[in-house]
Amino acid sequence: EPEVTQTPSHQVTQMGQEVILRCVPISNHLYFYWYRQILGQKVEFLVSFYNNEISEKSEIFDDQFSVERPDGSNFTLKIRSTKLEDSAMYFCASSAQGARTGELFFGEGSRLTVL
Amino acid sequence: SQKIEQNSEALNIQEGKTATLTCNYTNYSPAYLQWYRQDPGRGPVFLLLIRENEKEKRKERLKVTFDTTLKQSLFHITASQPADSATYLCALDPSGTYKYIFGTGTRLKVLA
Repeated sequence: EPEVTQTPSHQVTQMGQEVILRCVPISNHLYFYWYRQILGQKVEFLVSFYNNEISEKSEIFDDQFSVERPDGSNFTLKIRSTKLEDSAMYFCASSAQGARTGELFFGEGSRLTVL
Repeated sequence: SQKIEQNSEALNIQEGKTATLTCNYTNYSPAYLQWYRQDPGRGPVFLLLIRENEKEKRKERLKVTFDTTLKQSLFHITASQPADSATYLCALDPSGTYKYIFGTGTRLKVLA
């Protein structure tokens, strides 16, 4: 069964360092998302991406964050200068039709720990 | 302000009973609502989607209702099993702009 894969599964970084989280969405999907979940809290929307551009972003997704689909298969989230409060589980998701009618397929997440 | 609320307290029920979880929302008028299951340390897994013109949706032991007047969705698991123990999340896309908002989730524990 096709699945969304994420790497790394866990990354530890120093505050102020740049981090890139990688995702390979399901191959025929067109809509891509990043969510984050701080330990014990709810799943929070960061950004959605369609047709090579950002469709929607949340207040969390400030200038420190960026997304890219560099080669038609990978979908990356970059955090330029990490802060302690960026420590969370980051989930990538993809959808065939868009969130309105289609289910989101989530990856297993990348746990980011900022020291 | 816009909110999606789920009972933050854990729900414990006996195996074989029906679990009922609630999702309430305010200041949204979603055309549809989805339910997901999340196990500890893992990504959410889609369960069911219900549209505003559907009162009820079923899938095996799962049933979802959607009352747009009450702004509420109920999620039922019948003949519950210990393997159903997980956190259940409701989610909606308020404006159809691909910004999917999740509730806080309700942790369900089914006791053997």
